[in-house]
Formats: sequence, structure tokens, C-alpha cells
Amino acid sequence: DVKVTQSSRYLVKRTGEKVFLECVQDMDHENMFWYRQDPGLGLRLIYFSYDVKMKEKGDIPEGYSVSREKKERFSLILESASTNQTSMYLCASSRTAYEQYFGPGTRLTVT
Amino acid sequence: GENVEQHPSTLSVQEGDSAVIKCTYSDSASNYFPWYKQELGKRPQLIIDIRSNVGEKKDQRIAVTLNKTAKHFSLHITETQPEDSAVYFCAATEIKAAVNKLTFGGGTRVLVKP
Repeated sequence: DVKVTQSSRYLVKRTGEKVFLECVQDMDHENMFWYRQDPGLGLRLIYFSYDVKMKEKGDIPEGYSVSREKKERFSLILESASTNQTSMYLCASSRTAYEQYFGPGTRLTVT
Repeated sequence: GENVEQHPSTLSVQEGDSAVIKCTYSDSASNYFPWYKQELGKRPQLIIDIRSNVGEKKDQRIAVTLNKTAKHFSLHITETQPEDSAVYFCAATEIKAAVNKLTFGGGTRVLVKP
């Protein structure tokens, strides 16, 4: 069974703080993704990575950066959190171009 | 880039009735169309997908149809049951290599009333 875990289920941060969200997968998947989920907007891709140290921008990368130092771990970084980054953040991984396996999500509130 | 629109945003059906969710996409190069189901408080999971060389695919009570000419695809759930209550997301992408960059629709909240 594929397991994708995220470091926190709920997180509350203040405006301007640096925020780290971590994602770990245990299935040796090459591809990892970060999405944010907002009502009515579906899942929007922030960044993805197809190999260690490789990253590509998704559809909404502004205000975010990522790090992939090890194959199993993909981190999302909010350099200076803002209130409009309050959202549900979902990590996913995949071995092929097809099925993506999602983590449980981190609900981030920026006050 | 790709743009996916999904309708309706909410759908309420009686148990046993059918439910249909429709999505349109903009990029004619898209060739892979998955559907994910997200139950309340849980993670999205793939329930069915279709590739552009196929017009229809069925898996028990769910089916997906694809019309490449019109650039739309639909999810059909027959004999709905309470456990079908969830948010459903369609997505589209062009598979070019070993990684896909999915573009999701806005989601449809389905409520099955007993």
C-alpha cells in the first residue's frame, strides 16, 4: 500500500513567518507534487518534481518554493506567509504518468 | 495552458438514481482524463480514468465517456448509494513523459439522500 504522509494536519502561522510543509512517500516514486485546494477552485498545482533536486513550476508557484534533497521527501516553503495562502495543501506522488497518490493534507491558517 | 471546467458544482440525488458530472477542457493535446473522489475529511483517490484512444470505460457502477471533438468528458454513477456522497474532481493532461501535470476542475459535491 502506498503511503504518503504530511508533517502536520493543522498549522497556524502569522503573516510574514517562514513556513515549511513536509511530505514523505514510502514507495520509491519518482514524481512528487504540491497542490493547494480551495473551495470551487479544485486542486491547483504549485510545484512538482520528477527527480531528486529537480523541480518545475506548476500553475500557481508565486510565493512558494520547494526542495527535494531526497527521493522520498518533498518540502513546500512559504518564504513569507500571507493571509491569501490560507488553504488546504495536498502532497501527492506517482511512479508513472498516471495515478497520483495523495497525502492527508495540511490545513494552513495564516493570521 | 489547459483549463478544465466542471459542472455542476453541487448535485443532490436520491439513493438509487443516477448522477452525471460533466467536464470540458480547452487543450486539444490533452490525452488523459482521470477522476478523483474525495470523501469528507479524506484524501482524493483515483476512481477511474480514460485515455484519448477510448470513448467509454466502465467499472461496476461508474463509467466515463469522452468526446474528443467537443472536448468534454463525463462521469456517470448509476444506482447511487450513500457511500457515493463525496466531492468528485475531473482532470486533464497531455501525457508527454513519465510525469503528468494534471489540471483539475473545480469539483462537484455529490450528496446521495437515503
